[in-house]
Amino acid sequence: GQQVMQIPQYQHVQEGEDFTTYCNSSTTLSNIQWYKQRPGGHPVFLIQLVKSGEVKKQKRLTFQFGEAKKNSSLHITATQTTDVGTYFCAGRKIGTSYGKLTFGQGTILTVHP
Amino acid sequence: DVKVTQSSRYLVKRTGEKVFLECVQDMDHENMFWYRQDPGLGLRLIYFSYDVKMKEKGDIPEGYSVSREKKERFSLILESASTNQTSMYLCASIGRQGADTQYFGPGTRLTVL
Repeated sequence: GQQVMQIPQYQHVQEGEDFTTYCNSSTTLSNIQWYKQRPGGHPVFLIQLVKSGEVKKQKRLTFQFGEAKKNSSLHITATQTTDVGTYFCAGRKIGTSYGKLTFGQGTILTVHP
Repeated sequence: DVKVTQSSRYLVKRTGEKVFLECVQDMDHENMFWYRQDPGLGLRLIYFSYDVKMKEKGDIPEGYSVSREKKERFSLILESASTNQTSMYLCASIGRQGADTQYFGPGTRLTVL
């Protein structure tokens, strides 16, 4: 079946440092989404990337979708304590039903003030 | 705002009990999903439903069943709870037909003793 691997599993940074999490799929994706889950909360949608090579920015967050549509990354510049949480990527394999996503394992980000 | 609610935040059951987890969404969404979340494994799809009385197996359906008698309500059933079903259960729905963005409920943390 489709596998989506996400690394690293954990990342500890000092406030102000940058952070990147990577997502890699075994199959070509129709699109990829990123979610953030705050401690004790539920996943909340951040963004969707659809096009090959697409780059999108949300303030300090930069999202990339690979040319082959098999990998993606989320980069946070100058982390803040409010960035703490678990970041998940989720992809839909081409030809599968809408909404049937495969989630990565998540990266737990800790930011030390 | 889309609202997805789950019947309980915390639940403690005994091995062998029948367990019902309920999810309700208030935005007339056709598609609803049940996931379980475990540390290091991310979110794994148990079952999903595209319409009333319709259901499809996800990646880990064993030991679970579902019911969708009304459009707004999607129930997850553990016929005979086991300790390895101790987990966080998350319900989600899709905002509009053809979209992948998932709206999650707050989650139910189930402990099976």
